[in-house]
Amino acid sequence: GAVVSQHPSRVICKSGTSVKIECRSLDFQATTMFWYRQFPKQSLMLMATSNEGSKATYEQGVEKDKFLINHASLTLSTLTVTSAHPEDSSFYICSGGTSVSSTDTQYFGPGTRLTVL
Amino acid sequence: GNSVTQMEGPVTLSEEAFLTINCTYTATGYPSLFWYVQYPGEGLQLLLKATKADDKGSNKGFEATYRKETTSFHLEKGSVQVSDSAVYFCALRPMGTYKYIFGTGTRLKVLA
Repeated sequence: GAVVSQHPSRVICKSGTSVKIECRSLDFQATTMFWYRQFPKQSLMLMATSNEGSKATYEQGVEKDKFLINHASLTLSTLTVTSAHPEDSSFYICSGGTSVSSTDTQYFGPGTRLTVL
Repeated sequence: GNSVTQMEGPVTLSEEAFLTINCTYTATGYPSLFWYVQYPGEGLQLLLKATKADDKGSNKGFEATYRKETTSFHLEKGSVQVSDSAVYFCALRPMGTYKYIFGTGTRLKVLA
């Protein structure tokens, strides 16, 4: 199946700094990429959807100025957590798809664990 | 609203034991239903899916049947192996959308 990678796999940063997480589709072109957040013992929550070359669409309650998403190419999307605070500590997962069709399969990355001290 | 409820883990079984992981959902209309599996250090992988009532999804010995009357999609396997140890996520996708609604995941540990 198609492979999605994320980098880094885990990151620790100080409060107030910004952190960038990369999501790459290795063997397919991801027209659409999705960013999820997972808290311990909770389900994955969709944060935003991005299409290559367009602005991301954020879910209700997600601060777009806090979580900057860039989808500059068909194989790379980045999530930047700006001015991170301890409450931003979480597991962030991306996925890629070739369309936003309801029948399209999404391929998930392994996730990035962010810890903000 | 749409939601997925799955049994809390961890579930610990001996090799060759029978596995059931319960999943129930709340949704309007006819969502598609999925089971994803996440092995350590890897991304979620689609295990099986069903798109309409009474459909049975199956893969690698795992099965789940879309039960509209009980709003359930329980995952079963007749004989688990150590290599099945992973976290299993039940999910739904409402009709006409690309958005997934995930359950909290159930960790399965199979002992030799």
